[in-house]
Amino acid sequence: DAGITQSPRYKITETGRQVTLMCHQTWSHSYMFWYRQDLGHGLRLIYYSAAADITDKGEVPDGYVVSRSKTENFPLTLESATRSQTSVYFCASRGHVGVSYEQYFGPGTRLTVT
Amino acid sequence: EDQVTQSPEALRLQEGESSSLNCSYTVSGLRGLFWYRQDPGKGPEFLFTLYSAGEEKEKERLKATLTKKESFLHITAPKPEDSATYLCAVQATLSSGSARQLTFGSGTQLTVLP
Repeated sequence: DAGITQSPRYKITETGRQVTLMCHQTWSHSYMFWYRQDLGHGLRLIYYSAAADITDKGEVPDGYVVSRSKTENFPLTLESATRSQTSVYFCASRGHVGVSYEQYFGPGTRLTVT
Repeated sequence: EDQVTQSPEALRLQEGESSSLNCSYTVSGLRGLFWYRQDPGKGPEFLFTLYSAGEEKEKERLKATLTKKESFLHITAPKPEDSATYLCAVQATLSSGSARQLTFGSGTQLTVLP
């Protein structure tokens, strides 16, 4: 009964490096989401995916890349990390249209860019 | 643009002292309003979904209510374990009939003192 997991839980990287955050869900949910949470801004949507091979931008997509080749995985890549991307990143998932709309969140990844 | 404002930002209560958290929202057409609980270092945990004005939902010491402009999370006789940040989010219905993604408020940090 893992639900939704994220890895790594903590990551320190240097400016300019590429880093990938992983998200895996066991519910076969259609939708998956990536958020960042910063003091004063709350949760902001970075990217989301309605199904495998279907992704779309959220509120703050610049500097991030996503892919979704399998329903259960939704990795988030920072192609060239910047200090402004220091944040806590949450992955979430929910069922498809017609099912309840609530999202279920993973435990988060705390990323520090030095 | 959808907007969600939560108040107060922080609230300290004595154990047993009932109170309410407020979530004011502006959306073009409300699909659903969601309440989440977030403990330090963890992802948000889903509590309730409210769909229409007048709707109420309860879970243990928590009761959520909804009007056309705001939602309240009432906490009756709180205990120290109720200490957490409570997040409110709204989902709007687009003119096409599909749903916009969630917009979150910044949360209310609740501390219940023994």
